Amino acid sequence: EAGVVQSPRYKIIEKKQPVAFWCNPISGHNTLYWYLQNLGQGPELLIRYENEEAVDDSQLPKDRFSAERLKGVDSTLKIQPAELGDSAVYLCASSSTGAEAQYFGPGTRLLVL
Amino acid sequence: RKEVEQDPGPFNVPEGATVAFNCTYSNSASQSFFWYRQDCRKEPKLLMSVYSSGNEDGRFTAQLNRASQYISLLIRDSKLSDSATYLCVVNRLYDYKLSFGAGTTVTVRA
Repeated sequence: EAGVVQSPRYKIIEKKQPVAFWCNPISGHNTLYWYLQNLGQGPELLIRYENEEAVDDSQLPKDRFSAERLKGVDSTLKIQPAELGDSAVYLCASSSTGAEAQYFGPGTRLLVL
Repeated sequence: RKEVEQDPGPFNVPEGATVAFNCTYSNSASQSFFWYRQDCRKEPKLLMSVYSSGNEDGRFTAQLNRASQYISLLIRDSKLSDSATYLCVVNRLYDYKLSFGAGTTVTVRA
């Protein structure tokens, strides 16, 4: 069974530029998560989807971050404009339900210069 | 106070040793618990769920103490390949809010 797929794996951009990350969850997983992870810290939730509905976006900085999961399968996370402090690893995870264990993709390592 | 706290370590142990560490959580409504393993520059991978009665998976044993609000992970007969950061995850089932600890680093030396 294929795992969670993310692209790109690495991205280097200049500050104020836009950037987008894509995630395809494990087939059949209704719950999808986007996390941000800084070095030496645990993942921090940005947004959680149940199917196509964003059920928890309380930690998403909505002035510059947006996300969508239009058909309840794959998802896109966008940052516009990027700031230096956005440099981090962006992880996508999925689970069959919100109560079950999550499975993570390999992440996108973002560097903002 | 953070919802989930872990001793960052590092725990440096020789091969074959036993190492154990805890994770404390602040919200008594937390209902499900997991341990994840994360290697350097890799994504977290599920190690094991933690059940109320405690559970084992090979050399790994997880325990839950609801009264004192902590979970523990014990690794027996440590291998070099056990060197990693171990993340504790706590799930609040009434709203499915998951919280991650910052991780405990374990280094197993030859």
